[in-house]
Amino acid sequence: AQTVTQSQPEMSVQEAETVTLSCTYDTSESDYYLFWYKQPPSRQMILVIRQEAYKQQNATENRFSVNFQKAAKSFSLKISDSQLGDAAMYFCAYQETQGGSEKLVFGKGTKLTVNP
Amino acid sequence: DTGVSQDPRHKITKRGQNVTFRCDPISEHNRLYWYRQTLGQGPEFLTYFQNEAQLEKSRLLSDRFSAERPKGSFSTLEIQRTEQGDSAMYLCASSLMRQGASNQPQHFGDGTRLSIL
Repeated sequence: AQTVTQSQPEMSVQEAETVTLSCTYDTSESDYYLFWYKQPPSRQMILVIRQEAYKQQNATENRFSVNFQKAAKSFSLKISDSQLGDAAMYFCAYQETQGGSEKLVFGKGTKLTVNP
Repeated sequence: DTGVSQDPRHKITKRGQNVTFRCDPISEHNRLYWYRQTLGQGPEFLTYFQNEAQLEKSRLLSDRFSAERPKGSFSTLEIQRTEQGDSAMYLCASSLMRQGASNQPQHFGDGTRLSIL
């Protein structure tokens, strides 16, 4: 079974600085998707960024970018120019490709605090 | 697009009672997922539907749990004879699955927080 590990239960960053959240995963599949979701306190889970495993180019969405290392099964999230609104739980998630349920397998999350 | 809607937001009940939650997905989405999230953990998959068909159930879904999506639109999740261990946030997500298209992201609702007294 696929597993996702987030080794940093909590991280903090100063406003306007850069922070990197780590994620590793385990799978025997060669084609899959990886996601970072953000869950603010008492609010819904929001998709931050998505990476397709067959694409070598790292995904980028404005201030958010990933470092995808397929051989190492590593998928870290970099947040640049951190803002107070970035404070939330961040979950890394794995998804199999079409043909199955496409259910998400989540890590335990990293709580990000942004200090003014 | 009004997003995924879940009702109620909070439910407090006594142990042994039955509870039912509702999820309204994004209107054109044909896939609907239920996840459970306990404190300090990431969400865990419970079950999913494609249209009205329930296609997969997790081992986490004991026989006290039942989910339906009768017309392929909204879904209900019922827990019978609730236990302390059922206390959690129950999340619903929906997505659009199209043959030959790449995986579409799942969109989540706000969740229903269940507390068992």
